[in-house]
Amino acid sequence: EAGVTQFPSHSVIEKGQTVTLRCDPISGHDNLYWYRRVMGKEIKFLLHFVKESKQDESGMPNNRFLAERTGGTYSTLKVQPAELEDSGVYFCASSHWTSGGGPHTDTQYFGPGTRLTVL
Amino acid sequence: GESVGLHLPTLSVQEGDNSIINCAYSNSASDYFIWYKQESGKGPQFIIDIRSNMDKRQGQRVTVLLNKTVKHLSLQIAATQPGDSAVYFCAENIGTSYGKLTFGQGTILTVHP
Repeated sequence: EAGVTQFPSHSVIEKGQTVTLRCDPISGHDNLYWYRRVMGKEIKFLLHFVKESKQDESGMPNNRFLAERTGGTYSTLKVQPAELEDSGVYFCASSHWTSGGGPHTDTQYFGPGTRLTVL
Repeated sequence: GESVGLHLPTLSVQEGDNSIINCAYSNSASDYFIWYKQESGKGPQFIIDIRSNMDKRQGQRVTVLLNKTVKHLSLQIAATQPGDSAVYFCAENIGTSYGKLTFGQGTILTVHP
């Protein structure tokens, strides 16, 4: 089974430019999450999709960030315009809905991340 | 690979020793806890989890202990191997927050041959 994949692995852009990150979850996983880790800080939650719907976007820093998951398959995270403080590693994770303890106990499988550098 | 923050706790052990990595979690309402391992250039990899109705859970070479009284979580790795060298993160979740994980800062484990 293929794992979560992310593209690109690295992106270097200048302040004010636009960048779009892509995540392909594990096939069949309804839950898709975006997290990020800025230098020296913890991994922080950004948002959660269930299929194509945004379940929780409480972690999105501001309206320069736009996440989509059209068709409930892959997801994109666009940053427009990028600022210096957006630099960090952006992780995507996916999980499969099980009938056990609820969605919060479904194992999240992480992708390798996209390292974003804003100059 | 990804560099880590300047202030991450570190743990250095010899191959074959047992390792204990500690984590203080923040929310007394959290009811699900997970340990992740992150190697350089990779994303966090699930190791083991535990629900709040348990205080101990064992996996292969790993044991997680949960002390809800003091909001403390630990990961024990038996017979640590060089391949265990990585950054280890604890994460917590609350049932009302769906899958939103709150991560700890991480601990760097270095295993010397």
